[in-house]
Amino acid sequence: GAVVSQHPSRVICKSGTSVKIECRSLDFQATTMFWYRQFPKQSLMLMATSNEGSKATYEQGVEKDKFLINHASLTLSTLTVTSAHPEDSSFYICSATPLLDSYEQYFGPGTRLTVT
Amino acid sequence: AQTVTQSQPEMSVQEAETVTLSCTYDTSESDYYLFWYKQPPSRQMILVIRQEAYKQQNATENRFSVNFQKAAKSFSLKISDSQLGDAAMYFCAYVGGNSGGGADGLTFGKGTHLIIQP
Repeated sequence: GAVVSQHPSRVICKSGTSVKIECRSLDFQATTMFWYRQFPKQSLMLMATSNEGSKATYEQGVEKDKFLINHASLTLSTLTVTSAHPEDSSFYICSATPLLDSYEQYFGPGTRLTVT
Repeated sequence: AQTVTQSQPEMSVQEAETVTLSCTYDTSESDYYLFWYKQPPSRQMILVIRQEAYKQQNATENRFSVNFQKAAKSFSLKISDSQLGDAAMYFCAYVGGNSGGGADGLTFGKGTHLIIQP
């Protein structure tokens, strides 16, 4: 149980375009989903916290107009990177917290974004 | 703000031996949770073990155990009988116990690259 999927697993886009990444909890409902970014050979850094039906909370230094997050249901959150630039190239990982356990997070497999 | 420090960028151990990965953290909260995650080359984050700060007993999961020293804010991971499949990046992570409900994101250490020598 507790499976989280992400789509796509890899995406290449041109500079200036937008790309959407989906995060789904497949077998549980998630009150909260999180988006992390991981640069090569570095740790995961929390970008934003997404609660179903409300606005996302962004970490300091993360541009909310650039990284649009929508959490429309208890099983789906999306991250849209708008007007992508090469420096946005990274590995984006989502995680989800089940309704009954606010501290356990289940991670998706990640999405590798390359902006050319 | 909470910080998590992993002072060992890389560790190497012989197969079947025991290795300990260190982690220290800084927090002013009294209620929190600590985790060790494994990230193999596939980059899928896998939960290895979890410790609730209010529990004095150290968590254990098969070959994996922790040494949780709350006063020292230390949370090391011991891997016994190391196997080739244990080779991966290991991240220590912290989350506060939010008394107001809801969930907070994890704060990760920089990671330790564990190499298993056959």
